[in-house]
Amino acid sequence: DIVMTQTPLSLSVTPGQPASISCKSSQSLLHSDGKTYLYWYLQKPGQPPQLLIYEVSNRFSGVPDRFSGSGSGTDFTLKISRVEAEDVGVYYCMQSIQLPWTFGQGTKVEIK
Amino acid sequence: EVQLLESGGGLVQPGGSLRLSCAASGFTFSNIAMSWVRQAPGKGLEWVSVISGSGGTTYYADSVKGRFTISRDNSENTLNLQMNILRAEDTAVYYCAKLRGLNWRYYFDYWGQGTLVTVSS
Repeated sequence: DIVMTQTPLSLSVTPGQPASISCKSSQSLLHSDGKTYLYWYLQKPGQPPQLLIYEVSNRFSGVPDRFSGSGSGTDFTLKISRVEAEDVGVYYCMQSIQLPWTFGQGTKVEIK
Repeated sequence: EVQLLESGGGLVQPGGSLRLSCAASGFTFSNIAMSWVRQAPGKGLEWVSVISGSGGTTYYADSVKGRFTISRDNSENTLNLQMNILRAEDTAVYYCAKLRGLNWRYYFDYWGQGTLVTVSS
C-alpha cells in the first residue's frame, strides 16, 4: 500500500497569514498517462470531508483561489495564501494511483 | 445538486451484522462509480470499498474483505454496504461518496453526511 505522510500534524495560524502543509507519498503518484493522482480534502468540524484540490493543482468548483496545490512525484504541498477563520479543520491528502486508495494522517489547522 | 443520504447505522454487538444504504440524487447514478469511506472516532479517513457504475466490479480494503459486501440498485439510485462479522474496530462514521475519474484512478468529489456504526457489547 502507498503510505501518505503529512507534516505538520497541527498548525496554528494568525488570520491573514499564509499556511503550508506537506504531503509525501511512499511511491510516485505520476502515472504513465501523464496525470498525477494526488488530492487534498478539508474536513471542517462536524462535517464530512470536502474536495479542495484534484490532480495536484486543480481547484474544485467553488474553492477560493487562496488555496493552491503544487508538487510532483512523491512530494506535494497545499498552500493557503491568507488563512481565514472558515479554513479551520483537518486537511487530508489522498492518492488514487493504485488501490487501496490511501489518505495522509491529517493536519489540524486552527486559528490563533 | 448532488445529494447523498446515508442510513442504517446504529449499535450492534460484535459478530453481528448491519446494512447501510445511501440514497443518491442530483446526478446520473448508474453512470458513476461509488464508494464507502469510514472514519473511526477521532481518527483519520480510511477507504473501505468501491463499486463500478454497473455494479459488476468491486474492490475492498483488506480490513473488510470477506466480511463486507458493496452493492447498488441503479433502479432506485441506492448504494448499499452489507457488513457482517462486525468487530469493535469497525466502529466509525461511514460516508458514502460519489466518485469522479477514470480507470479506477478515482477521487471523491461529493460526500454524504455519514452514518455512525458502533460495535459494542
